[in-house]
Amino acid sequence: QSVLTQPPSASGTPGQRVTISCSGSSSNIGSNTVNWYQQLPGTAPKLLIYRNNQRPSGVPDRFSGSKSGTSASLAISGLQSADEADYYCAAWDDSLNGHWVFGGGTKLTVL
Amino acid sequence: QVQLQESGPGLVKPSETLSLSCTVSGGSISSYYWSWIRQPAGKGLEWIGHIYTSGSTNYNPSLKSRVTMSADTSKNQFSLNLSSVTAADTAVYYCARREDYFYAFDIWGQGTMVTVSS
Repeated sequence: QSVLTQPPSASGTPGQRVTISCSGSSSNIGSNTVNWYQQLPGTAPKLLIYRNNQRPSGVPDRFSGSKSGTSASLAISGLQSADEADYYCAAWDDSLNGHWVFGGGTKLTVL
Repeated sequence: QVQLQESGPGLVKPSETLSLSCTVSGGSISSYYWSWIRQPAGKGLEWIGHIYTSGSTNYNPSLKSRVTMSADTSKNQFSLNLSSVTAADTAVYYCARREDYFYAFDIWGQGTMVTVSS
């Protein structure tokens, strides 16, 4: 049972826009910024969005993030087959002396 | 550019201690937080803990009693010890850097598979 809650799956057709939600609590998302990671099959996770809505250099602007209260979301527009991957949200949790928590991951399928 | 490489035994016996190292190349280990994160097959990511190069540590509350981390600035390495392992500790183990500006894990190792079995 992950501390942050994500839907286990999402899907869309090429060119569509999809969103993935991430729900937390006041001790994590409510108090700290949210990061998103993309994990392609058989590879290590890659930082996709940091500080709620910032993209590292090299990440296409098709990817965007937002946060409101204790929830966050990742949006992918102009969906491509290369976007098929697992997506994880993460945030620092202030409880119990502080620790990082992840969502359970969302598997995105491009139909 | 900075790269991370995990190393250590791929097979550990139940009740023994899992020991992994992460070597940092292309940059200094100093002044960053360095984490260990694991992923059982087909499952999600779990943060194990981190160490700052001063030696300060934070561990996942669910693993805290079994985890020890250390850093060796002279070797540009940091390490993980996880004691009293069981089959539930079987996973791919990643090392990662938390960058202050991003406040996120910006660089990851490729991961190393550790199986706990007799």
